[in-house]
Amino acid sequence: AQTVTQSQPEMSVQEAETVTLSCTYDTSESDYYLFWYKQPPSRQMILVIRQEAYKQQNATENRFSVNFQKAAKSFSLKISDSQLGDAAMYFCAYRSRNSNYQLIWGAGTKLIIKP
Amino acid sequence: DVKVTQSSRYLVKRTGEKVFLECVQDMDHENMFWYRQDPGLGLRLIYFSYDVKMKEKGDIPEGYSVSREKKERFSLILESASTNQTSMYLCASNQRTDTQYFGPGTRLTVL
Repeated sequence: AQTVTQSQPEMSVQEAETVTLSCTYDTSESDYYLFWYKQPPSRQMILVIRQEAYKQQNATENRFSVNFQKAAKSFSLKISDSQLGDAAMYFCAYRSRNSNYQLIWGAGTKLIIKP
Repeated sequence: DVKVTQSSRYLVKRTGEKVFLECVQDMDHENMFWYRQDPGLGLRLIYFSYDVKMKEKGDIPEGYSVSREKKERFSLILESASTNQTSMYLCASNQRTDTQYFGPGTRLTVL
């Protein structure tokens, strides 16, 4: 069975600096999707970034980028120029290409932005 | 923009009560999901539905049931609420894409 591990329950970063959130996963499959979701204190979960396993190029979305290392089964999220609005819980998730749309979730990392 | 709404942001119930949590999406999505979110455990899938009247159990279906009579509405039912069902409940929906769109969540407290 697939698992997703986020080893950092909490991270803090100074405003305007860069922070990297870690995510590792375990799977025997070769074709899958990986996601980072953000849940601000208002609780509406939103998608930050998505990566398809067959694509070697790392996904980027404005200040958010990933470091996808398929062999190492690692999928970290880098936030550049951190802003106060980035404070949230961040969840890493995995979906098999063959699944019935079910996501496997990590436990989450709470990101604190220091002004 | 996709909109997923949940009937209550906060709910307080007594042990043994029957509880209904409702979720409505406005984008004609095929799939709808109910998750439970607890600190340190991430999101755990309770049930999902891939069509009207169709449902599949997720990882933690015990103590819950669901109903999907209309495509836009997906209800989670706690037949007899217990204190260990105190949690945050999140509803989500998607079409044949991977992005799940979430509602704001319902914080349920069972006393």
